[in-house]
Amino acid sequence: EDQVTQSPEALRLQEGESSSLNCSYTVSGLRGLFWYRQDPGKGPEFLFTLYSAGEEKEKERLKATLTKKESFLHITAPKPEDSATYLCAVQVHGSSNTGKLIFGQGTTLQVKP
Amino acid sequence: DAGITQSPRHKVTETGTPVTLRCHQTENHRYMYWYRQDPGHGLRLIHYSYGVKDTDKGEVSDGYSVSRSKTEDFLLTLESATSSQTSVYFCATRGEETQYFGPGTRLLVL
Repeated sequence: EDQVTQSPEALRLQEGESSSLNCSYTVSGLRGLFWYRQDPGKGPEFLFTLYSAGEEKEKERLKATLTKKESFLHITAPKPEDSATYLCAVQVHGSSNTGKLIFGQGTTLQVKP
Repeated sequence: DAGITQSPRHKVTETGTPVTLRCHQTENHRYMYWYRQDPGHGLRLIHYSYGVKDTDKGEVSDGYSVSRSKTEDFLLTLESATSSQTSVYFCATRGEETQYFGPGTRLLVL
């Protein structure tokens, strides 16, 4: 069964304290891995897509990386406005026509000033 | 921003009553999706549509039906709401790169 697991469930950081969020996946064949950010009371907001092992994407203080078994979202020198829930999702081969995604449960990040 | 709106944004209803949630998009995307989000379960797919009048079930479709009579509108109906359907419901559309989400509808079934 295709599965996505995110860790930790919750993470508290001090402003400026860099860290990483993990997304591990067990799928029949990965077509793409997606990172979203979700603020309280809002819908998920797209951040990155990764397609193959070794690929990296960056946006401001965020960098996403991908291996054959997991993805990391690295947060460098975070600020309080980076506080949110970060969701990971995968699309597997065979679902490319439907575009269906399998989501992890998310990591809730809190950055304290 | 895929130009997705959802209505209503909040709703309180009673067990056994029918409820319809609406999703409207302005991007002319072919694919649309309905998810529910619950603590401990993440986002789970209820139903999706791949065109006007073309729909299929997701992983948690029991108790829900959908309809799509126009490209821009995707309706989710709870025929007889139950307390287990209390949740936050998100609509999404499929753009070039990934799915884009609406703001959500918070539904409370008493």
